[in-house]
Amino acid sequence: GESVGLHLPTLSVQEGDNSIINCAYSNSASDYFIWYKQESGKGPQFIIDIRSNMDKRQGQRVTVLLNKTVKHLSLQIAATQPGDSAVYFCAERGSNYKLTFGKGTLLTVNP
Amino acid sequence: GAVVSQHPSRVICKSGTSVKIECRSLDFQATTMFWYRQFPKQSLMLMATSNEGSKATYEQGVEKDKFLINHASLTLSTLTVTSAHPEDSSFYICSARGPRETLYGYTFGSGTRLTVV
Repeated sequence: GESVGLHLPTLSVQEGDNSIINCAYSNSASDYFIWYKQESGKGPQFIIDIRSNMDKRQGQRVTVLLNKTVKHLSLQIAATQPGDSAVYFCAERGSNYKLTFGKGTLLTVNP
Repeated sequence: GAVVSQHPSRVICKSGTSVKIECRSLDFQATTMFWYRQFPKQSLMLMATSNEGSKATYEQGVEKDKFLINHASLTLSTLTVTSAHPEDSSFYICSARGPRETLYGYTFGSGTRLTVV
């Protein structure tokens, strides 16, 4: 059920700034990681992924960094725009192709 | 690209009734579908994994008799919330995985907002 008092970490940035969203994952055996964007009332939208044999991957305006030593993942968004405002989740793939989601970060972009 | 259609997007039902949610992969065959539940301001929690033609595998703490999952074809999985109660009110999301990994190996539906009154 719902936990009382639980809240999402938040990040507030100015339009045009770069954003960095962090995620700690739990399973050292996870071999694949994905960042998702979720807008209110919608399903998760794929942003970028990375396999465990890589430490960096770049997309359009986004970069994902993977540090397996400390089990840390980050998403960098360049030149953040108001349309980037959403909740961002990292997900790790474990056994049986199951995805485990992180707790999410609410990104707010101020015009 | 891969598309997953989920219906209905919103449903309100009376306590004690059952609600069925459909998840369809429109342009690919989904060998595996996943069902998630998401409470406000929380993350997605995996409820169960369904493979076409076999029984679903439920995560610990999820009642299989309450959340019935059917994956009768490679393009359709359904989640039925039986004897719904207000505490079942949540956002339910399905995800489909195709037979081969692609850039978008996991495609999500748009979610179903269930409100039990």
